[in-house]
Amino acid sequence: NAGVTQTPKFRILKIGQSMTLQCTQDMNHNYMYWYRQDPGMGLKLIYYSVGAGITDKGEVPNGYNVSRSTTEDFPLRLELAAPSQTSVYFCASGGTGTVYGYTFGSGTRLTVV
Amino acid sequence: QKEVEQDPGPLSVPEGAIVSLNCTYSNSAFQYFMWYRQYSRKGPELLMYTYSSGNKEDGRFTAQVDKSSKYISLFIRDSQPSDSATYLCAMTGGSNYKLTFGKGTLLTVNP
Repeated sequence: NAGVTQTPKFRILKIGQSMTLQCTQDMNHNYMYWYRQDPGMGLKLIYYSVGAGITDKGEVPNGYNVSRSTTEDFPLRLELAAPSQTSVYFCASGGTGTVYGYTFGSGTRLTVV
Repeated sequence: QKEVEQDPGPLSVPEGAIVSLNCTYSNSAFQYFMWYRQYSRKGPELLMYTYSSGNKEDGRFTAQVDKSSKYISLFIRDSQPSDSATYLCAMTGGSNYKLTFGKGTLLTVNP
């Protein structure tokens, strides 16, 4: 099982550029999440989805957009990149029922210069 | 008051020590408690999860929940250098769809 796959692993963007961070899971999980992690700040939820076609904002959604057209994929779009978006981004997925906890991807390290 | 508080450390111990990592929380609806381990430059991985109060043991790791005090702990016995990582607690009420995470404690086990 691949679990949660994120691409790319690293990226340098110039201010004002746009990009899409890709996330795919093969566990048939309904729930998917995007977090950013800054040093000493913990995980901050950007957007989440409880199923295909349903997305909602987390605590830090500004400057980002998401879509969920399939169960497997949950891409994160950055429009007009800013230095404040320099961070490590993690995608995660979780199942329903009695299995608790999320599976995380290995992260995308993004630098905006 | 934040929903989940976790001392960020850093915590440095000698190899073989017993390590205690802790989180406190304020939401009495939380019933499911998890510990994640995150190695440097990697994603968090689920280490253990427990339901309600009590202890759960898995090898050198023991998770403990005291709902009356709103306090959870992770104990690591005979700590190894390979245990060096950031440990995050997480918790939720009845649904898996939205976990609340602590900020993580950075642990270093010195050979």
